[in-house]
Amino acid sequence: GDSVTQMEGPVTLSEEAFLTINCTYTATGYPSLFWYVQYPGEGLQLLLKATKADDKGSNKGFEATYRKETTSFHLEKGSVQVSDSAVYFCALFKAAGNKLTFGGGTRVLVKP
Amino acid sequence: GAVVSQHPSRVICKSGTSVKIECRSLDFQATTMFWYRQFPKKSLMLMATSNEGSKATYEQGVEKDKFLINHASLTLSTLTVTSAHPEDSSFYICSAGTGLAGPGAYNEQFFGPGTRLTVL
Repeated sequence: GDSVTQMEGPVTLSEEAFLTINCTYTATGYPSLFWYVQYPGEGLQLLLKATKADDKGSNKGFEATYRKETTSFHLEKGSVQVSDSAVYFCALFKAAGNKLTFGGGTRVLVKP
Repeated sequence: GAVVSQHPSRVICKSGTSVKIECRSLDFQATTMFWYRQFPKKSLMLMATSNEGSKATYEQGVEKDKFLINHASLTLSTLTVTSAHPEDSSFYICSAGTGLAGPGAYNEQFFGPGTRLTVL
């Protein structure tokens, strides 16, 4: 079946550091790919998405590119802030089945 | 906009009792609601999908008699864990979608903050 694998955390960095969270997927067909973010005490929020190969999703300084050849969708941000501390989830969606498949989540802690 | 609430945020109960968790879409009508379960350091596992006014569709391996889902209105879905046991202790998360994008397309899901269930 479909699956999403992302790096385990926690990832601890200093403010203004570069952040990368790796995400790879296994799926047949052409899934859409997503990054969700969960801030403490809140529900998951859609951060960015890409619906086809080579698409780049971006939002709030975060970017991820849909790489079909490597089945990856790595999340990057050039300069993190303390407010970026959260848990980040990579996910895929396929129309058949109408459901999201999530990775295990990566906790990011940004220190001032 | 697109706020989803869950109540309670955490609950502790004795083994053998039943617990009801509510999921509400506060500012939109949710044609579809989803219930997930999350284990520590694990991904969210979809338990079931419910459409307003119809029976929920459960994922393989989820006991429908144990996890009762009701989606009686466009703004409320409930998950009842019946005869709860310690192994049911988990973090339960709901999400709601408008369905406006139509079948076969991705309809954005808006997530609640989750409910921590502890069964003693």
